[in-house]
Amino acid sequence: SQQGEEDPQALSIQEGENATMNCSYKTSINNLQWYRQNSGRGLVHLILIRSNEREKHSGRLRVTLDTSKKSSSLLITASRAADTASYFCATGANSKLTFGKGITLSVRP
Amino acid sequence: GAVVSQHPSRVICKSGTSVKIECRSLDFQATTMFWYRQFPKQSLMLMATSNEGSKATYEQGVEKDKFLINHASLTLSTLTVTSAHPEDSSFYICSAVSSVDEQFFGPGTRLTVL
Repeated sequence: SQQGEEDPQALSIQEGENATMNCSYKTSINNLQWYRQNSGRGLVHLILIRSNEREKHSGRLRVTLDTSKKSSSLLITASRAADTASYFCATGANSKLTFGKGITLSVRP
Repeated sequence: GAVVSQHPSRVICKSGTSVKIECRSLDFQATTMFWYRQFPKQSLMLMATSNEGSKATYEQGVEKDKFLINHASLTLSTLTVTSAHPEDSSFYICSAVSSVDEQFFGPGTRLTVL
């Protein structure tokens, strides 16, 4: 199976609610990144967390990393309709990334 | 942030023709660029690593004679899909790596082969 497996694969929430997405990976990592992709568009880098970090914040985003469990979570607080997109975690070395399958987030207005 | 462009954004071609897709880093130089393919509702799959001034490195299962990559300058990499067939229809995305190892993605090119 792929390095970087997200769950759930699809998530539908009401605007204003928080969205939590999880990612698991199999091999050792130097860092883990989260990306967003709007339908039919390219990827937007959201946040990078290094292997020696446990938590990182960026605006309404909070990312955690548990290297002992080989997992990461992305929390989007106070979601907005504009957050509707697919979210991918990615791991890699030397800039060569391996993406998870992605989570489709739908935020209902 | 840095900008990476792709051209064309959409292309429709007949089976058997070749299609060239350009990836440009607009405000930085990129020694390394990557090409990905994404099928509907699936993840990005790395196809190849494009290195300026040298041959591309292809991932397992990707035919180098089918997907020709040329990285002739520090701001341009091209992917040519040769003798395209309907199964090559996909969303092709490139990324470019800056000198400080930040990776920026292009907006993608939708290829439809009839």
